[in-house]
Amino acid sequence: GAGVSQSPSNKVTEKGKDVELRCDPISGHTALYWYRQSLGQGLEFLIYFQGNSAPDKSGLPSDRFSAERTGGSVSTLTIQRTQQEDSAVYLCASNVGAEQYFGPGTRLTVT
Amino acid sequence: AQKVTQAQTEISVVEKEDVTLDCVYETRDTTYYLFWYKQPPSGELVFLIRRNSFDEQNEISGRYSWNFQKSTSSFNFTITASQVVDSAVYFCALSELRRGYQKVTFGIGTKLQVIP
Repeated sequence: GAGVSQSPSNKVTEKGKDVELRCDPISGHTALYWYRQSLGQGLEFLIYFQGNSAPDKSGLPSDRFSAERTGGSVSTLTIQRTQQEDSAVYLCASNVGAEQYFGPGTRLTVT
Repeated sequence: AQKVTQAQTEISVVEKEDVTLDCVYETRDTTYYLFWYKQPPSGELVFLIRRNSFDEQNEISGRYSWNFQKSTSSFNFTITASQVVDSAVYFCALSELRRGYQKVTFGIGTKLQVIP
């Protein structure tokens, strides 16, 4: 498809387990962003990639969160030892200019 | 102070009424971008408009219009003759150049409910 895709669309996990969330940006988009949207909240910036490097990781809430990007394309957000407060929708966006194009998100539920 | 303030958390209007969603932003940059996104119940964020800081012309697109006023740091969004399909959460966002990239800060969103 032509847009940003994310998988899985929904993930239910037990507290303490690790999860991986995937983002496929629009082909050719060098910039990639991860955001978190908690219930009833706005979008919280997590991390920004330019190519494979991450010049801004300032939004990652704890060292349980990490992300990588390979080949300047697919990105994976990993949450280790998940906690209930990690439950949220995780959104990915990509762009080449000022406008960001968003994926449909992954809804993460930690039980 | 928040960078992007959307003071209205929830608004309800009756179909065909006009509604204005407020957005006030804060930045020290002279060059920046402002956006509005729509998030329908399906969840996917839909881009509505981008405005750069040097373009204060108001814009109209169908039933949607935007009023950008640098003097008051506001970028308000008006829906004319609202429809049920307009029911969604609307986010205002500010994009500033930081460390060589556009860092986007979102407001908390305004939930609009259009009642038939």
